Amino acid sequence: DAGVIQSPRHEVTEMGQEVTLRCKPISGHNSLFWYRQTMMRGLELLIYFNNNVPIDDSGMPEDRFSAKMPNASFSTLKIQPSEPRDSAVYFCASSKGPLPPFFGPGTRLTVL
Amino acid sequence: GESVGLHLPTLSVQEGDNSIINCAYSNSASDYFIWYKQESGKGPQFIIDIRSNMDKRQGQRVTVLLNKTVKHLSLQIAATQPGDSAVYFCAENPRINDMRFGAGTRLTVKP
Repeated sequence: DAGVIQSPRHEVTEMGQEVTLRCKPISGHNSLFWYRQTMMRGLELLIYFNNNVPIDDSGMPEDRFSAKMPNASFSTLKIQPSEPRDSAVYFCASSKGPLPPFFGPGTRLTVL
Repeated sequence: GESVGLHLPTLSVQEGDNSIINCAYSNSASDYFIWYKQESGKGPQFIIDIRSNMDKRQGQRVTVLLNKTVKHLSLQIAATQPGDSAVYFCAENPRINDMRFGAGTRLTVKP
């Protein structure tokens, strides 16, 4: 298995632009998580899906952030418009049942 | 231990020594705990987990201890190797699929 796949691995954009991060979970996993990691706040859970349905999005910082999971093998995290304070590493993770989440390699986002 | 903000707690050990990384968790309702290892430029990697009905669990070279009375978790690494250098996170699970991470501890292994 290739593990959790994220794209792009690095993204540099200008303030105000739309950013879309993509994730392909491990096949057969039924939960998907989006995390953000910064030096100041550490690893924060943004949102998680169970069977493609958003269960808890209380960690999503603002309405500028949105996440979708149109099918079991794909999810997106969109930021529109992006701001410099959104600069961080964004991780996608997936899990099966009660098993621990497995993380992808992350997308390093820089907003200038 | 835990901290917030810019400064990660650090632990520096000599190669071959044992390492103990500590973590204080916050939610007494948490019943599942995980240790992750994160190397530079990579995502967190699962090391070992433990449920609240246990107080100790052993893996290959690693042991996790859980003290629910004081809400404390520790990770012991035996015969620490240079490849163990990384940031180690404990995570608690107060509700299903709601995994909350601590700030992390940076382990440096000196050859």
